[in-house]
Amino acid sequence: QLVLTQSPSASASLGASVNLTCTLSSGHSNYAIAWHQQQPEKGPRFLMKVNSDGSHSRGDGIPDRFSASSSGAERYLTISSLQSEDEAHYYCQTWGPGIRVFGGGTKLTVL
Amino acid sequence: EVQLVESGGTLVKPGGSLRLSCAASGFTFNSAWMSWVRQAPGKGLEWVGRIKSKNDDGTTDYAAPVKGRFTVSRDDSTNTLYLQMNSLKTEDTAVYYCTVEEHGDYVTYWGQGTMVAVSS
Repeated sequence: QLVLTQSPSASASLGASVNLTCTLSSGHSNYAIAWHQQQPEKGPRFLMKVNSDGSHSRGDGIPDRFSASSSGAERYLTISSLQSEDEAHYYCQTWGPGIRVFGGGTKLTVL
Repeated sequence: EVQLVESGGTLVKPGGSLRLSCAASGFTFNSAWMSWVRQAPGKGLEWVGRIKSKNDDGTTDYAAPVKGRFTVSRDDSTNTLYLQMNSLKTEDTAVYYCTVEEHGDYVTYWGQGTMVAVSS
């Protein structure tokens, strides 16, 4: 079964960097994923796609403070030079034939 | 600029029906795969269903909780996506987002959402 697992919460200081992790279920370690950001009281927006080799492509207008990488079944979102507006929920998404799956989301708090 | 504007959300009783619409612009709608994603109050994102472009056979797929009750359709002449929801349950209460899958796999654009509340 295709499942994505995310830690419920993370925190980091203003100006620092943070890594968020999304883990693919067993047997799906070669899947690509997408990262989405949802700021408080707003709809989600697409951040970037991450392939199993760590290559990634950002969405329109996404700053290069946002980057991504991969290792095995784990997909990472790295946010550097944290700003207050980065405080948000971050969701990963993957897909297969006839199915799309979202992770449970990570709430990022900027201290 | 891609724009997705959902409408049709309202309060409906359990067992009732509702149709949501999504007016799309700023991209080639007839070649895009489109999905609906929902978010229950205070919860995460849940994929609802997807429709392929007619060029790619126009077929649909659905998440297990809505299969047999919800239907995704499209009108390429008016650039509009629809979600017909029947036999609504209280657990269908959520904000429903219209989304574009530019590459036929992951969401690349989101609408602002429309709220559906199912309650007696």
